[in-house]
Amino acid sequence: QKEVEQDPGPLSVPEGAIVSLNCTYSNSAFQYFMWYRQYSRKGPELLMYTYSSGNKEDGRFTAQVDKSSKYISLFIRDSQPSDSATYLCAAKTSYDKVIFGPGTSLSVIP
Amino acid sequence: EADIYQTPRYLVIGTGKKITLECSQTMGHDKMYWYQQDPGMELHLIHYSYGVNSTEKGDLSSESTVSRIRTEHFPLTLESARPSHTSQYLCASAVGDTQYFGPGTRLTVL
Repeated sequence: QKEVEQDPGPLSVPEGAIVSLNCTYSNSAFQYFMWYRQYSRKGPELLMYTYSSGNKEDGRFTAQVDKSSKYISLFIRDSQPSDSATYLCAAKTSYDKVIFGPGTSLSVIP
Repeated sequence: EADIYQTPRYLVIGTGKKITLECSQTMGHDKMYWYQQDPGMELHLIHYSYGVNSTEKGDLSSESTVSRIRTEHFPLTLESARPSHTSQYLCASAVGDTQYFGPGTRLTVL
């Protein structure tokens, strides 16, 4: 079983829609959770970083962690064509390296 | 925007050639990483370094080697390239848990 899993998509939504991207993980020792955005032919860039359970909001983006169900979500409000990218979730323990999911490909159609 | 550079961006070579993928960062980060990324798959850590003269193998078995003689430079070398080495190679540097990725090198071995 992979430690971090994501539905690879592709996910296609109309501009302005609310997007929900999800990950599950298996290691209950994970405490730090991240979302990276990767545009085509570019390296990933950190979008959100959260510690333990709860919500974190940054502009149109909200990251949500539910440790009881080992579930990580990223919500994008008022989605824009510029949000079209692959979104990678990632997690780590307090002492080990970052483990990445395979990414979900998102297309926002004008 | 992070200052981390990778060269070449694209490389097509024949089997058996020796190649070196370059990675440089100007942020003074001690931690640096090399990942392999295939379409629809998670990033696989192949090498990492926590400082000068410190290098470790990652979770993915790799026939490559790395060196860290200077803080800003973390080259990856393949002594004899094979078609199975065809992939995208991403370099990253980090401060804390935040990783900054380069644009990647797309390697094709014929």
